[in-house]
Amino acid sequence: GQSLEQPSEVTAVEGAIVQINCTYQTSGFYGLSWYQQHDGGAPTFLSYNALDGLEETGRFSSFLSRSDSYGYLLLQELQMKDSASYFCAVRDRGAAGNKLTFGGGTRVLVKP
Amino acid sequence: NAGVTQTPKFRVLKTGQSMTLLCAQDMNHEYMYWYRQDPGMGLRLIHYSVGEGTTAKGEVPDGYNVSRLKKQNFLLGLESAAPSQTSVYFCASSYSPGTSGRVEQYFGPGTRLTVT
Repeated sequence: GQSLEQPSEVTAVEGAIVQINCTYQTSGFYGLSWYQQHDGGAPTFLSYNALDGLEETGRFSSFLSRSDSYGYLLLQELQMKDSASYFCAVRDRGAAGNKLTFGGGTRVLVKP
Repeated sequence: NAGVTQTPKFRVLKTGQSMTLLCAQDMNHEYMYWYRQDPGMGLRLIHYSVGEGTTAKGEVPDGYNVSRLKKQNFLLGLESAAPSQTSVYFCASSYSPGTSGRVEQYFGPGTRLTVT
């Protein structure tokens, strides 16, 4: 099976940088995804890493180290609208149907 | 395009009642999924489908049934509702992954179900 660990909550001020770590255990790793979910809303896709290194998409970047079974999501120039929960998710190579296993989520609270 | 839609948005059931949640997608995706999300927790996969006429069990399938009679629709049924099934239910769909294995799932707005 798969398991993922991420911090439950992070608080930061506007303009700051936040890093959300995710460690995972899988029997056969394919890639690590990140999703954002605002309170009362649906999860939306942010990024995907299959290879080691950093992927940048605007203010958000995602990093993966396959050898360490570790990844992180970096939120830069924090804005109030970034207050949300962030989930890492893994796809196992043995998983049929593109199944993802999600972490418990990290709640990010941005203060003025 | 509407993307992924779910009906109803809210529902209150009494213990033992049954109901069906409907999910529809207009993106011609092959794969569809049903998740539940309990307060402060991540998403847990209930059932999924890799194509019309196919279904498979996920992580927490007990007490639920599904059907995928049409490619665009995925139905989730609760046979005899229990208070433990109080949750927010999300439907999602995705295309086939490329060689990178990238999977981007598109989620519906959710159904908030309370079982009393």
